[in-house]
Amino acid sequence: DTGVSQDPRHKITKRGQNVTFRCDPISEHNRLYWYRQTLGQGPEFLTYFQNEAQLEKSRLLSDRFSAERPKGSFSTLEIQRTEQGDSAMYLCASSPGGGDTQYFGPGTRLTVL
Amino acid sequence: AQRVTQPEKLLSVFKGAPVELKCNYSYSGSPELFWYVQYSRQRLQLLLRHISRESIKGFTADLNKGETSFHLKKPFAQEEDSAMYYCALGGATNKLIFGTGTLLAVQP
Repeated sequence: DTGVSQDPRHKITKRGQNVTFRCDPISEHNRLYWYRQTLGQGPEFLTYFQNEAQLEKSRLLSDRFSAERPKGSFSTLEIQRTEQGDSAMYLCASSPGGGDTQYFGPGTRLTVL
Repeated sequence: AQRVTQPEKLLSVFKGAPVELKCNYSYSGSPELFWYVQYSRQRLQLLLRHISRESIKGFTADLNKGETSFHLKKPFAQEEDSAMYYCALGGATNKLIFGTGTLLAVQP
């Protein structure tokens, strides 16, 4: 499967713990995006990378959230000191460049108890 | 402010009936509009985008700048069309702004 992959698919954690998600984009896609989706809502933009550079961050991305794409390939999204409000589906998408179609991964479902 | 509105949470039609999923947007620049679809237990995937003007799986959508709308239409619904449909707006920053989605249920 050459599509966008995400790991893990499900994560259950206790409030206050740190979690890290990984996204592997389609090979040679320069753009990588993170979105968050809560029940009954559409995906909401969090941040995106052009190669290894993080170009934009949403106000939704509090200082407990950090994202990296160190070599311009895979990306990680870390949430520190998780809160119950962080429970959501975290989606990753990639595209060849700006303005191109974004291809989505299957998502990581986070549950914070 | 950039915004996408999908007024219907659920649209239920019978097989063979016409379908129209509504989408209105608010954007001050030159918008790019998309329809994404999510079938049960599958990932979000692009259905169509306005600049390509393609017809995918019998669906079409026309950008109406005067009414700021991008409604999705299909003349004859099929049971396999049952899914969640999201309208999305892209702009200069290339991030997508999604509506809340409409669940299309096609009854046999």
